[in-house]
Amino acid sequence: GAVVSQHPSWVICKSGTSVKIECRSLDFQATTMFWYRQFPKQSLMLMATSNEGSKATYEQGVEKDKFLINHASLTLSTLTVTSAHPEDSSFYICSASGAGYEQYFGPGTRLTVT
Amino acid sequence: GDSVTQMEGPVTLSEEAFLTINCTYTATGYPSLFWYVQYPGEGLQLLLKATKADDKGSNKGFEATYRKETTSFHLEKGSVQVSDSAVYFCALGQTGANNLFFGTGTRLTVIP
Repeated sequence: GAVVSQHPSWVICKSGTSVKIECRSLDFQATTMFWYRQFPKQSLMLMATSNEGSKATYEQGVEKDKFLINHASLTLSTLTVTSAHPEDSSFYICSASGAGYEQYFGPGTRLTVT
Repeated sequence: GDSVTQMEGPVTLSEEAFLTINCTYTATGYPSLFWYVQYPGEGLQLLLKATKADDKGSNKGFEATYRKETTSFHLEKGSVQVSDSAVYFCALGQTGANNLFFGTGTRLTVIP
């Protein structure tokens, strides 16, 4: 089946620094990638949708200047959390879809900002 | 707007017990409904889906029926195994749209 990886799986950073999370589709070309955020005991909240070669579309309430998304190739999308603060600590999950509409999910990245 | 309400967990069952995880939805039009499963340390995987009313999705002994009259898509399994221990997410997607709306997830633990 389709495999999506994320790197790193967990990261701890200091407040004010930036962190980059990578999402890769390993065995298929992902025309669309999605970034979700999950708080403890809450559902996944879609942050943004990105199509290869285009600017990401952000959901209402998500700061595009804080959460920079790049989808430069059909197998890689990155999420950069800029000037991270403790309230950005969360579990970030990406998913990817190719020719069909089914989404394949990565294992997630746990970010802790101290 | 579209939303999914899912039974809160955690749920702990003995092996071979019957499982039900409730899921109800609010949506316009005719959405597709999904159950995803997340095993420890892994990403979400599609478990089953149903695209129209009265459809039954099934996989690995799990079943869910799309009930438009009750706006529900409850997940059931007749006899759970220890290997079914995971977090289960109910989700909704609109035809032609890529984004999914997820429930909060229900953690299932099956004990021998």
